[in-house]
Amino acid sequence: EAGVVQSPRYKIIEKKQPVAFWCNPISGHNTLYWYLQNLGQGPELLIRYENEEAVDDSQLPKDRFSAERLKGVDSTLKIQPAELGDSAVYLCASSPNRVGELFFGEGSRLTVL
Amino acid sequence: AQSVTQLGSHVSVSEGALVLLRCNYSSSVPPYLFWYVQYPNQGLQLLLKYTSAATLVKGINGFEAEFKKSETSFHLTKPSAHMSDAAEYFCAVTHSNSGYALNFGKGTSLLVTP
Repeated sequence: EAGVVQSPRYKIIEKKQPVAFWCNPISGHNTLYWYLQNLGQGPELLIRYENEEAVDDSQLPKDRFSAERLKGVDSTLKIQPAELGDSAVYLCASSPNRVGELFFGEGSRLTVL
Repeated sequence: AQSVTQLGSHVSVSEGALVLLRCNYSSSVPPYLFWYVQYPNQGLQLLLKYTSAATLVKGINGFEAEFKKSETSFHLTKPSAHMSDAAEYFCAVTHSNSGYALNFGKGTSLLVTP
């Protein structure tokens, strides 16, 4: 069974530039999450999808962050414009709807210069 | 809101020694508790979970954790550390009131020395 796939693994951009991250969840997993992980910290939830519906986006900074999950499968997280403080690892996870059982991708590490 | 506190951001043990990683939770309702492990440059992987069944939970790679309500704790243990156990370990909590969103602790980095 293929795991959660994320791309790109690494991205370096200048501040004020846009950036996008892509996630392909495990087949059949209806729930998809985007988490932010700062260095030395635990993951923090940005947004959770049930199929194509964003059911929890309360922690997503909507002035510069956006996300979509078209057709309830792949998802894209976008930052525009990026700021220095956005440098972090962006983790995607999917779940087969068993409580707390998340399957994580390897993450996309963003460096904003 | 529920949260977890992991005591000790870094723990060092000798190979073969007992591993003990501490986690205390705060929750106004019965929680579900989890331990995840993150190896370098990899995503998080579920080690074990407590969902109100047996208080002693066994996970993968020889790890186990015990839910102690009186101490609000969910410490992770392994009798004998292996070099391959070196990783970052995260405790997490959720419950139905939060829509089962996981709240993670800040993590504990385990170093295993020969």
